[in-house]
Amino acid sequence: GAGVSQSPRYKVAKRGQDVALRCDPISGHVSLFWYQQALGQGPEFLTYFQNEAQLDKSGLPSDRFFAERPEGSVSTLKIQRTQQEDSAVYLCASSLGGTLWGVQETQYFGPGTRLLVL
Amino acid sequence: RKEVEQDPGPFNVPEGATVAFNCTYSNSASQSFFWYRQDCRKEPKLLMSVYSSGNEDGRFTAQLNRASQYISLLIRDSKLSDSATYLCVVTSYNQGGKLIFGQGTELSVKP
Repeated sequence: GAGVSQSPRYKVAKRGQDVALRCDPISGHVSLFWYQQALGQGPEFLTYFQNEAQLDKSGLPSDRFFAERPEGSVSTLKIQRTQQEDSAVYLCASSLGGTLWGVQETQYFGPGTRLLVL
Repeated sequence: RKEVEQDPGPFNVPEGATVAFNCTYSNSASQSFFWYRQDCRKEPKLLMSVYSSGNEDGRFTAQLNRASQYISLLIRDSKLSDSATYLCVVTSYNQGGKLIFGQGTELSVKP
């Protein structure tokens, strides 16, 4: 079956440009997460949606970062006025529910969008 | 101090070797524990969950020590295909299910 897909897979932006990254979660998955992975580091949490509700945006590094999931399916992560430090891989993950009976449901990751800001 | 800490490696081992990775976490409210595997330029994939009683999946054994806040992964009889980065991951009830990743430990298995 189809997994999580992300587009574009690669994006080169000039400093100051706005970018929009798209995530298509697995059909029927309620939870959607965005992570940022810098080179040589583990992924770091950015934000979390349950259906269309953004329940946690504590990981967004600045107000230049904005995410939405208006219909509870596809999500877009937007970065305004990109800076060189925004260069990273942006990973999207989805899970069927949230925490089921106290057990964390498996998150399935997309292939990521590699963003390079020049 | 990062919430989840791992030795970044790299660990360079010959085929057939046994290798162990360690991880410590600082949040005592951490609830669920995992090892993920990430191949070069690929997304992370769940390798195995980690339980207090310890669990084994073929050549892989994971252990959790809640008192010491310590997680381990043991790989026996290493294969070339085991070469990857191994990420230690925790979640907490009070953090809404988000995954907290360690830096990752790079493993390179040589012929």
